Amino acid sequence: EVQLVESGGGLVQPGGSLRLSCSASGFTFSSFWMNWFRQAPGKGLEWVANIKRDGTEKDYVDSVKGRFTISRDNAKSSLLLQMNSLRAEDTAVYYCARGQLTGDYWGQGTLVTVSS
Amino acid sequence: DIQMTQSPSTLSASVGDRVTITCRASQSINSWLAWYQQKPGKAPKLLMYKASSLESGVPSRFSGSGSGTEFTLTISSLQPDDFATYYCQQYDSYPYNFGQGTKLEIK
Repeated sequence: EVQLVESGGGLVQPGGSLRLSCSASGFTFSSFWMNWFRQAPGKGLEWVANIKRDGTEKDYVDSVKGRFTISRDNAKSSLLLQMNSLRAEDTAVYYCARGQLTGDYWGQGTLVTVSS
Repeated sequence: DIQMTQSPSTLSASVGDRVTITCRASQSINSWLAWYQQKPGKAPKLLMYKASSLESGVPSRFSGSGSGTEFTLTISSLQPDDFATYYCQQYDSYPYNFGQGTKLEIK
């Protein structure tokens, strides 16, 4: 059974940093592109970033470029999102999802709250 | 960036009804469109990809159509489990934007 479990969310002050993790199981992690999506409270879905199977290609939504870094550790079946210079508008539930173009499996999400 | 617009924003319907949700892209995305269902407090679930391909395990009462800039998701006979919010997503070019969502409510 495919499982994706996010962790690392929490309350952080504006300008602070946070590192999200997504632990994958039930499939060959190194064979799939992976994504981060987010959803602000009461709002719609937003694609944040994705990363190729071997980590050599990455892309980001403009609003996080230069502040967020997506990476992966295929040996540990783990997806990461390093978030720096956080802003109030980054407050959201962050989901990891499998797939290059769409997300066919999603985790349950982890809440990031940016507030003083 | 490609903008995605869904209509209606809210839809009230009854069990057994046939409903259609529309998604329009600001420019052609060929058939690079997905549909998701999301229930409160839960992660989205992929329903359709490539505009009209049904994801494995999704009931056949769901169908998708369209290409270019206009797309539809149809539920042929609403079931109680179908009341949720539906999102379209384009994956023709980065960023992979979503529509604003359509909330399907019980009438």
